[in-house]
Amino acid sequence: EVRLVESGGDLVKPGGSLRLSCAVSGFNFNDAWMNWFRQTTGKGLEWVGRIKSRGDGETTDYGAPVKGRFTISRDDSKNTLYLEMTSLKAEDTAVYYCAWYLQHWGPGTLVTVSS
Amino acid sequence: DIVMTQSPDSLAVSLGERATINCKSSQSVLNSSNNRNYLAWYQQKPGQPPKLLIYWASTREYGVPDRFSGSGSGTDFTLTINSLQAEDVAIYYCQQYDSIPWTFGQGTRVEIK
Repeated sequence: EVRLVESGGDLVKPGGSLRLSCAVSGFNFNDAWMNWFRQTTGKGLEWVGRIKSRGDGETTDYGAPVKGRFTISRDDSKNTLYLEMTSLKAEDTAVYYCAWYLQHWGPGTLVTVSS
Repeated sequence: DIVMTQSPDSLAVSLGERATINCKSSQSVLNSSNNRNYLAWYQQKPGQPPKLLIYWASTREYGVPDRFSGSGSGTDFTLTINSLQAEDVAIYYCQQYDSIPWTFGQGTRVEIK
């Protein structure tokens, strides 16, 4: 069974940093291209970024609102995906989801950016 | 970026009746090399992540009831729910995965009349 579980969501002050994790099981993570999405009440669903597999260069792409502030990485030995978020803004407040392809999503973790 | 626009924003349909949701992309999501439309439909219920219903615009995901169907090509797409059931109350999103950044429609809320 494919399983993805995000963790690390928290309340953080504007300008702060946070690292989210996504632990996966049930599929070959080494070969998987992984995505992060987020969802806010105001802006709906938004693609945050993706990381390719090591075999495909482990390259990353990001959406414009987070480019330069967020970094996606992976540890294939731990079957874990990461999202490092810096210079956080109020508009980054959202539920963050990791996903494999289109059909496998985690339950999400809430990040709140507020003073 | 490709802008995805859904219509209507919400609709109320009687049990057993048909619900139709439209999605328009600002540019074509049809890939000429493989003739596939990179368009997906999701269903989301409160407190849950989006659930994939349809991909390649018209291919039903495994386990999705056949009352859900997708159609369209290029820039205009439709999700049809035939014989609406109570468990279909949700918000539905279209998404293009043809080009980065992947983008979503604003969502359509389906309720029971």
